[in-house]
Amino acid sequence: DAGVTQSPTHLIKTRGQQVTLRCSPISGHKSVSWYQQVLGQGPQFIFQYYEKEERGRGNFPDRFSARQFPNYSSELNVNALLLGDSALYLCASSSTGDGNTIYFGEGSWLTVV
Amino acid sequence: AQSVAQPEDQVNVAEGNPLTVKCTYSVSGNPYLFWYVQYPNRGLQFLLKYITGDNLVKGSYGFEAEFNKSQTSFHLKKPSALVSDSALYFCAVRFPYGNNRLAFGKGNQVVVIP
Repeated sequence: DAGVTQSPTHLIKTRGQQVTLRCSPISGHKSVSWYQQVLGQGPQFIFQYYEKEERGRGNFPDRFSARQFPNYSSELNVNALLLGDSALYLCASSSTGDGNTIYFGEGSWLTVV
Repeated sequence: AQSVAQPEDQVNVAEGNPLTVKCTYSVSGNPYLFWYVQYPNRGLQFLLKYITGDNLVKGSYGFEAEFNKSQTSFHLKKPSALVSDSALYFCAVRFPYGNNRLAFGKGNQVVVIP
């Protein structure tokens, strides 16, 4: 079975531009979360979606938004990119049930120049 | 607020020696605890988790972790380190009955010396 898949794997954007990152969860997983990992730090929680509804939001500005589709895939959008948005963006999925393991994708490397 | 501490920046160990990566947490209640490993330019790979039950948890690739509630610790261990274990290791905590938000420590770079 395929794991969590993310696209694109790498991209370069200019300050002020907008970016959309995509994620497909593991088959059967209905919960998708997004994390930002800046070089040298641990991942930071951005969003969680379950059954197309936002279930949690981290301490990120409104420039960050996300959505989940009926097939449980998800998109993360970042508007008005700043140099500090350069990071590895990780998508994670899990099945329903408390205590279930959260599995991560390989991430999307975003460089803002 | 949830907090996870991984006090050491880098752990150096000779191949074949025991490996320990330390993690302490400072949250109330009974959180769920996780260890993940990250190889260069890759995502996070799940190693093991503690939810409830036996304090010694066994995971992937020969790793295990011991939950100690009184010391609020969840140290990762491996009896005999391999060169291929060289990677970045993250401890994470999540509250039960809530969302799937994980709070991560800063990570520990493990270097296994041949």
